[in-house]
Order: sequence, then structure tokens, then C-alpha cells
Amino acid sequence: AQSVTQLDSQVPVFEEAPVELRCNYSSSVSVYLFWYVQYPNQGLQLLLKYLSGSTLVKGINGFEAEFNKSQTSFHLRKPSVHISDTAEYFCAVINTGGFKTIFGAGTRLFVKA
Amino acid sequence: DAGVIQSPRHEVTEMGQEVTLRCKPISGHNSLFWYRQTMMRGLELLIYFNNNVPIDDSGMPEDRFSAKMPNASFSTLKIQPSEPRDSAVYFCASSLAEGGSEQYFGPGTRLTVT
Repeated sequence: AQSVTQLDSQVPVFEEAPVELRCNYSSSVSVYLFWYVQYPNQGLQLLLKYLSGSTLVKGINGFEAEFNKSQTSFHLRKPSVHISDTAEYFCAVINTGGFKTIFGAGTRLFVKA
Repeated sequence: DAGVIQSPRHEVTEMGQEVTLRCKPISGHNSLFWYRQTMMRGLELLIYFNNNVPIDDSGMPEDRFSAKMPNASFSTLKIQPSEPRDSAVYFCASSLAEGGSEQYFGPGTRLTVT
């Protein structure tokens, strides 16, 4: 079985500062990894995903994430955040042969002016 | 494509009433998921369909909940009778069945049971 731990429930940050949202996963088999974003009163939408290949994955809105197999982590980063990045971010994992995506509890990013 | 369509967007009902939530997945997607989101429990998978067949309903809370997918373009989630603890946002999502495919979420239905 897989599990996902998002280490921070809330991350406040000032506009134009860098941010890192942490995600660790647990799995006994190979997995695919995802980051989704949820803006207020909306459904989740994909930011980026790691399937294979380069461990540094670039997504929409200037976000990127790095897959670290030895540390079983998939942290999300952005070098300079905007007010509009205020949202909840979900890390998710699915085993390569499965259908059930396991979502983390979410990290609420709050960008302050 | 219009994306995943859910209706209604908001539903307020009294305890004991039947509630039906509707979902139209993205055309061509053969996997459909129903989720429930609350502050206390986060995002929970209720049921998963593949090619209109329910594959895993282990997340359905109890017999009051039922879901159907009569064809590739329509699914319903029914709660009968509804209870205040069912108040939540219910999301429908669809995807291709290929490994690594992301899920596309609808805007959700906010259900309030009084």
C-alpha cells in the first residue's frame, strides 16, 4: 500500500519569496507522483507529474518538483511566488500498475503582500 | 472540451431527503472517480469506475450511498436518506486508464444537509 505525507499543513510566505512544499511518500513498488493545486471553490487541477526520466519536473505557473528516490520525496518549489499562488496543494501517488491515486492531506499556501 | 461537468453546484436539503449528484466526464475518458472532501477528513475516494463498471467501492461510507454509471458519459451518486454528517463537497473526476494519466476534476457539488 502507498501513503503520502505532506509535512506542512500551512505555509505562509511573502510575495516574491521562494517556497518549498514538502512531500514524502511510502511504497513498496514503483510509483508515479503528482502535484495538484486547488483554488478556492474549484476542483483540483494538475500542476505537474513525474512518470520516469529526469528527476526534475517542470509544471505550470513556474512550479517545479524533484523526485528523490532514496529519500522517497517529491518536494514542490517555486523561486518567486505571487499572490495568485494562494491555494491548497496536494501531493499524490499511484503505483505504476494501479488505479487508485492516494492524495496527501494538502498544504495551504498563503502568499502575503 | 468543457471539462468534467457536475450538477448541481450547490445543494441544500433536509435530513432524511434523497440527494442525487450528477457527473458528465470528459469525452473519451474511461475512468471515473467520486471523491468527498471535508475539512476533517480531507479528500476521500468513494468509488471508482472503469469502462462504466464499478471496480472499487470500498470508500463508500455506508449503504445510504450508491453510485451508478449507466453509460460512458454519465454517472450519479445518490445518498438516501441524507444526514447532516454527509455535508461536504463532492467531486467527480475522470481520466484515461493508462498508467500515469492524471485525473481531471469537476468543480464539485457543495452539499449541505440540515
